[in-house]
Amino acid sequence: EAQVTQNPRYLITVTGKKLTVTCSQNMNHEYMSWYRQDPGLGLRQIYYSMNVEVTDKGDVPEGYKVSRKEKRNFPLILESPSPNQTSLYFCASSFRQGSPLHFGNGTRLTVT
Amino acid sequence: GQQLNQSPQSMFIQEGEDVSMNCTSSSIFNTWLWYKQDPGEGPVLLIALYKAGELTSNGRLTAQFGITRKDSFLNISASIPSDVGIYFCAGNRDDKIIFGKGTRLHILP
Repeated sequence: EAQVTQNPRYLITVTGKKLTVTCSQNMNHEYMSWYRQDPGLGLRQIYYSMNVEVTDKGDVPEGYKVSRKEKRNFPLILESPSPNQTSLYFCASSFRQGSPLHFGNGTRLTVT
Repeated sequence: GQQLNQSPQSMFIQEGEDVSMNCTSSSIFNTWLWYKQDPGEGPVLLIALYKAGELTSNGRLTAQFGITRKDSFLNISASIPSDVGIYFCAGNRDDKIIFGKGTRLHILP
């Protein structure tokens, strides 16, 4: 089944403790992206990648890192999480930039 | 920056009613997309529109790509309880996908 898989689905952590949210897609998509979803603000793009070893900042990249060492994986790294990064995070992929996106089921992160 | 204005923000309707929501922008878009997000899940693509004036149906859903390329609407006919969720419009301009803030649909029994 074609899908985007994120892990974990839920995560509670403390300020400053490094964490990684994994994302994997099995559709051989070139383009991958991370979004955060907050009430009243909709979906905001954090980082995106047009292909292996190519990553770019989205609209809200501060406090996040990503890597794209393989086509299928696009992990999101929070080196020193802060409470304002408490949010619902979505990974998405598409055939190429601008094509309709396929979303994962989300990771709900709480930073205390 | 480019923005999509999606309205209404929230809707309360009776089961069986038809629903209409729309998205407008001051910018021209090449593609319009409509997604639905069920509670606790990620957005799922409902309809993609690629040409100005295009009218596309998917079951009880109908969406149109406005002639001016600056707007799109989504209609849901004969709503049922599983239509509850958040509906997002999205537009593609210069290969960047911009999302509206969503319309949250509530269905009263």
